[in-house]
Amino acid sequence: DTAVSQTPKYLVTQMGNDKSIKCEQNLGHDTMYWYKQDSKKFLKIMFSYNNKELIINETVPNRFSPKSPDKAHLNLHINSLELGDSAVYFCASSHVLAGGAPAKNIQYFGAGTRLSVL
Amino acid sequence: GQSLEQPSEVTAVEGAIVQINCTYQTSGFYGLSWYQQHDGGAPTFLSYNGLDGLEETGRFSSFLSRSDSYGYLLLQELQMKDSASYFCAVKRQAGTALIFGKGTTLSVSS
Repeated sequence: DTAVSQTPKYLVTQMGNDKSIKCEQNLGHDTMYWYKQDSKKFLKIMFSYNNKELIINETVPNRFSPKSPDKAHLNLHINSLELGDSAVYFCASSHVLAGGAPAKNIQYFGAGTRLSVL
Repeated sequence: GQSLEQPSEVTAVEGAIVQINCTYQTSGFYGLSWYQQHDGGAPTFLSYNGLDGLEETGRFSSFLSRSDSYGYLLLQELQMKDSASYFCAVKRQAGTALIFGKGTTLSVSS
């Protein structure tokens, strides 16, 4: 079974559209993330979320919003898509130890969603 | 702010040893991690250093010097399948997300 799965794998859409990417993890982790990887392979955190706290990277436009129906799911909704949103979006999860400072903070990534905005 | 610097590209031949360096600038240090990413694939965890010294995992080792804000990933007995991008990362100051370096592309030739 895939530990972190995200759908769709590929997403091609027009500027101005609204789209969602779904993510599910079956690792029992309590924290999930969305990362964006641009064409230069620069990997940047967008959001981290557990059942208590949403932390947003301040550089993320408010057109992006995470939605978590439960601990195992963290979906990403994007409004009014722009050309610059074209990238690979990775969902990830990790287990946060008591005190909020995991010993290793190993993050498990999904396979990625390749978004192309035309 | 938090930032990490690593070389953009490294080339080597099969069987060789390569070292990928990483210097970081951060507050509230919680260790240095390394991730591998093959083209078209997802980043996967390789190694972690929470304390100074060397950590060994098979052909891969990672080193950390907190006083120098420096670490490296050492890959031995290189194989073609080691051709990939390698990222060093530190925990973000707020929350548990990671801040990644820009990645080092390793090309292994025969």
